[in-house]
This record gives sequence, structure tokens and C-alpha cells, in this order.
Amino acid sequence: GQQVMQIPQYQHVQEGEDFTTYCNSSTTLSNIQWYKQRPGGHPVFLIQLVKSGEVKKQKRLTFQFGEAKKNSSLHITATQTTDVGTYFCAANAGNNRKLIWGLGTSLAVNP
Amino acid sequence: DTEVTQTPKHLVMGMTNKKSLKCEQHMGHRAMYWYKQKAKKPPELMFVYSYEKLSINESVPSRFSPECPNSSLLNLHLHALQPEDSALYLCASSLTENYGYTFGSGTRLTVV
Repeated sequence: GQQVMQIPQYQHVQEGEDFTTYCNSSTTLSNIQWYKQRPGGHPVFLIQLVKSGEVKKQKRLTFQFGEAKKNSSLHITATQTTDVGTYFCAANAGNNRKLIWGLGTSLAVNP
Repeated sequence: DTEVTQTPKHLVMGMTNKKSLKCEQHMGHRAMYWYKQKAKKPPELMFVYSYEKLSINESVPSRFSPECPNSSLLNLHLHALQPEDSALYLCASSLTENYGYTFGSGTRLTVV
């Protein structure tokens, strides 16, 4: 079946360092969404990207959708302890109405 | 109101019990979802309702029975569950399918 590969699985950074998680697909994606889930919490929608080459920013977070619409990234500048959690990408591909989820990247931040 | 409300937050049930999970949203969203999430895994889709009609059933066992009484409410009826069904059950809604989801805080279910 269709898959979205997300790397890395885990990332441990010092507070103030940058962090990036990547999602890749072998098929063209219609859109890609990003979610954050804090430990013990529920997924929280961050953003949806739809257009080829799209770049969106939310304060220290930068989201990119590749030109071929097969990959996406989430970059956090100068991480803070509040950034701790698991970041998931989730995408629709073609006519598939079902959202395909990456396995998530778990971010730990040392103060 | 920008929330999805789920009740109960925690549930412990025996394998012969019948219980229901409830989900409510008042954002005018027309798509609603049930997901199951195990620890350290992504959410796993169970059911999708679109405009109050069941549009996707991900081959979920019949011991899980969804119901959408109206555009704001979604229920998940549970009967004769197994211990391996213990998980976090998440309800979500979106404007329509293919829009970003608003998740509820979930029901943490333990089957004993």
C-alpha cells in the first residue's frame, strides 16, 4: 500500500539547536499535513501544504512541500523545551481519501 | 467553540461489557473520524463519517460499532472487546475530508 516514510525516528537536541524532520513518498501527494503530539496528549494540527514548492512559516517553525510533491520537511529553529513531542506528517495521495501517516519523529530537548 | 470533546477520558471495561465512547463538535465540521492509537505509533484510522454517512470502514471488527446521530455527534459502541483492544481512542473532525483534523483529547481504554 501507499506509504509515507518519516525520518529520523528519534532526535535528541540541546535547547537552542535546530531540528528537522523529513517525510518522503514514492508517489505524488495531493497534500501533506503536519501534527504535533505532546507526551500523554493528542495530535494537534499544525499546518496543511497543498502547492508544489510551498513554504510556510509559523514563528520558529518552517514547513516545506517539495517541487515534485513527494517530500516535505518541518524545521524548528532554536528549539525550546516546549517543542518536545512527536511530530507526524500525514498525507493524501491521488484519489485516496484516507490520510496516510508517517511513523513520527520523537523530539527530546535538553534544557 | 474550536474543540472536539470526548467522553469518558478513561474507561476500564471487562471483556463481556458493553460501553460507548462519545464525541461532540460544534465547529460545523462535516467529516468525523474514529482513530485508534497504540503507544509510540501513529493514529490508525477506524471509521470516517462524511455528512453523517459512513464513508470509510477500515475493516474494523464488528465488536466496534460506530454511530453518527447528527452532524455534531459521533459515538463508538464497544462490545466483547479483547485485551489487545486497549489503546487511546481518538475522535477527530474536519471541515470536510482532506482538510486538517481537530482531534479530541481521547479516551484511554483498558480492557481487562
